[in-house]
Amino acid sequence: NAGVTQTPKFQVLKTGQSMTLQCAQDMNHEYMSWYRQDPGMGLRLIHYSVGAGITDQGEVPNGYNVSRSTTEDFPLRLLSAAPSQTSVYFCASSYAPNLGYEQYFGPGTRLTVT
Amino acid sequence: AQKVTQAQTEISVVEKEDVTLDCVYETRDTTYYLFWYKQPPSGELVFLIRRNSFDEQNEISGRYSWNFQKSTSSFNFTITASQVVDSAVYFCALSAAGSARQLTFGSGTQLTVLP
Repeated sequence: NAGVTQTPKFQVLKTGQSMTLQCAQDMNHEYMSWYRQDPGMGLRLIHYSVGAGITDQGEVPNGYNVSRSTTEDFPLRLLSAAPSQTSVYFCASSYAPNLGYEQYFGPGTRLTVT
Repeated sequence: AQKVTQAQTEISVVEKEDVTLDCVYETRDTTYYLFWYKQPPSGELVFLIRRNSFDEQNEISGRYSWNFQKSTSSFNFTITASQVVDSAVYFCALSAAGSARQLTFGSGTQLTVLP
């Protein structure tokens, strides 16, 4: 099993550009989520999904879009990048976090917006 | 609303010292789960332990131990005889049983173990 994979590992964008961060998991987990990690703030939830076709907003959803067409994939789209979106992005999956199952995290994508 | 507070931003100890990382949480749910994750300098997030709200039994795993106290809403993590390899950021997190939302994380504690 590859677990949770994310691409790219690093990305530099100019303000106003758009891009998609890819996330895939091969554990057949229904729950997937995107977090951003900023210094001193822990990880904050951007969007999450409880299954294919179902997504919902987390704590900091503005400027991001998601879709979940398959169980395996959960891409995160930056619509018009801003310097405030410079961060490390983590994708995670879980069998059932509301039942206490741990989340498995991808290796992260370090994004810089200039 | 859920909240996790890790008041210790940075801790520095000398190797072989014991160190305790504090975690205080807030939730209105009666069934919830608490987690500790480790983020070494390489950046990945590593799951360490899970505790549910009905199990206040403390746990020991090698040099690691966890003290869960519902009366004080705390879930503290102790490393005994610390080693340089323990240097990392440690996150405490909370998940509520009644919610499909994901984890609420604390802001993390940077632990540095000096040789």
